[in-house]
Amino acid sequence: DTEVTQTPKHLVMGMTNKKSLKCEQHMGHRAMYWYKQKAKKPPELMFVYSYEKLSINESVPSRFSPECPNSSLLNLHLHALQPEDSALYLCASSQDRGRATNSMNSPLHFGNGTRLTVT
Amino acid sequence: SQELEQSPQSLIVQEGKNLTINCTSSKTLYGLYWYKQKYGEGLIFLMMLQKGGEEKSHEKITAKLDEKKQQSSLHITASQPSHAGIYLCGAEPGGNFNKFYFGSGTKLNVKP
Repeated sequence: DTEVTQTPKHLVMGMTNKKSLKCEQHMGHRAMYWYKQKAKKPPELMFVYSYEKLSINESVPSRFSPECPNSSLLNLHLHALQPEDSALYLCASSQDRGRATNSMNSPLHFGNGTRLTVT
Repeated sequence: SQELEQSPQSLIVQEGKNLTINCTSSKTLYGLYWYKQKYGEGLIFLMMLQKGGEEKSHEKITAKLDEKKQQSSLHITASQPSHAGIYLCGAEPGGNFNKFYFGSGTKLNVKP
């Protein structure tokens, strides 16, 4: 069982819908990540939160809006998505790799992902 | 990420055979992580390598880090069908903390 929980497991939404993906961890990690993975491709980094502040945005379109309400939760708000946004969305957490004195000992822990289909 | 290249892209081996997967970085490595993924699922952490020359083993999987060459290899001895999946190397090329990228992945199929 993964220690990072993602909900829902599957999501189908229309292009005009608004939905949210949720991620939760209770490992005391202060860095949380969103990745997007298309079929037969490696995960692509989207956003990174460090101590509840957005530290990295990999030029992601504004129809994806991340939110980190507290150190255990990470959301990804979706609005006006396109069919090409259909993918597996993965959440991960780790010790903050920039500040932890032994950050290189902290691998990223991944959830099982949300399979998103945009119709 | 184009900064991390893996080879081969895919591999089909007979059960019991050994195999090696390589990961090469275009930038300095400050550590290298190996993950395994089953189709449509999350990534499972296998092992991490921090120092040049470091070698780690877990069951029949051994990984090495060559810092000078900016590359790592993952070796599976006496492969089993349970080893099948996608193997991904991950790192922060150039030491850009929290910008954790993955290599292109290697799909492994083990024939019984």
